[in-house]
Amino acid sequence: GESVGLHLPTLSVQEGDNSIINCAYSNSASDYFIWYKQESGKGPQFIIDIRSNMDKRQGQRVTVLLNKTVKHLSLQIAATQPGDSAVYFCAENIGGGSYIPTFGRGTSLIVHP
Amino acid sequence: DSGVTQTPKHLITATGQRVTLRCSPRSGDLSVYWYQQSLDQGLQFLIQYYNGEERAKGNILERFSAQQFPDLHSELNLSSLELGDSALYFCASSVGLTGGRNEQYFGPGTRLTVT
Repeated sequence: GESVGLHLPTLSVQEGDNSIINCAYSNSASDYFIWYKQESGKGPQFIIDIRSNMDKRQGQRVTVLLNKTVKHLSLQIAATQPGDSAVYFCAENIGGGSYIPTFGRGTSLIVHP
Repeated sequence: DSGVTQTPKHLITATGQRVTLRCSPRSGDLSVYWYQQSLDQGLQFLIQYYNGEERAKGNILERFSAQQFPDLHSELNLSSLELGDSALYFCASSVGLTGGRNEQYFGPGTRLTVT
């Protein structure tokens, strides 16, 4: 079946660098995408979302880019900090008017001081 | 602290048994979502309730059921437990129904171990 996947299972960066976490999705009907951050021992935390009628959305130090042509989603974190170390999940919603998310496996971001 | 509470934090039980996981959403949130996170399957959406009614269903097994009570707390019931049901179970809540921007707040999870 169709699924959401991540290109890199682990990403190591130096503090202060910019980080880019990628996500590929295969369901062209997906209309809503979310990025979550999960720190060790905690539940996922909403970071940022984007609807399919947009190709970019910015938050505080984070930017999500959506390329529907190649079904690709990315999360950019500016000036990465040690506190950004976590697993990052992307999720796509295929539910139309309902929320039925499918999650990627996650990318572990390790920030070295 | 997300404001979402889940009990118990840990649960160890045997195969074939039945357990109930409890979730209290953030004050004012009407939607409750249940998720399962396991090493082999990753994070999976199970079910959503809004103001007491089931609104969306994901990969929830027939052995599992949930409900949302008038005070908006929710319970997830897992029966005829199997070893493969061992996982972290998260509850999340949000103000709105679904579809649009719908920031969810996750609880700390219940770790279920089936032996």
